[in-house]
Amino acid sequence: GQNIDQPTEMTATEGAIVQINCTYQTSGFNGLFWYQQHAGEAPTFLSYNVLDGLEEKGRFSSFLSRSKGYSYLLLKELQMKDSASYLCAVRDSNYQLIWGAGTKLIIKP
Amino acid sequence: ETGVTQTPRHLVMGMTNKKSLKCEQHLGHNAMYWYKQSAKKPLELMFVYNFKEQTENNSVPSRFSPECPNSSHLFLHLHTLQPEDSALYLCASSQDEASSGGFHEQYFGPGTRLTVT
Repeated sequence: GQNIDQPTEMTATEGAIVQINCTYQTSGFNGLFWYQQHAGEAPTFLSYNVLDGLEEKGRFSSFLSRSKGYSYLLLKELQMKDSASYLCAVRDSNYQLIWGAGTKLIIKP
Repeated sequence: ETGVTQTPRHLVMGMTNKKSLKCEQHLGHNAMYWYKQSAKKPLELMFVYNFKEQTENNSVPSRFSPECPNSSHLFLHLHTLQPEDSALYLCASSQDEASSGGFHEQYFGPGTRLTVT
């Protein structure tokens, strides 16, 4: 079966750095996505990785290792508005997105 | 209005009711999706339409019936639902990926919070 694993909840302090991990087992691989979802709102796209390595976009970075079936989302200089759920999704060989259950990130002052 | 819109935002219905959810996208995309989001569970893909044709039906019960009259509009018709169907129903759109082979993220609407009593 296909499976995406990510921690259920994490807590971090404002101004700090946090890393959210995602491991996957899917039928084929055509890219990995990270989305942010604030409570009661729509998921919004954060990043996309299809090749191994680090993609940096401002305070957010995403890393991929295809051989390990592993990705992480790195958030720097945390702000209170970063409190949200972070969803990892992998596009399989049929170009369908397989989603993780999301990681709820709580930022404390 | 821009992006992906969904109506209604909240819906309470009894198990014998019939209702419809509406989704509209103003992004010129040719693929549209219905997802179910339950608390602490992964997003569940329900239906996919590419160029108005249904391409995926992930073992969804027949009490959910999708309709895609054109590439901008998507409906989800509901009838004789069960309490376990209570969830957030999200609509999304994107450019068709399989044919282009490229990277296209999905854009989501705000969802309809459905409660079945």
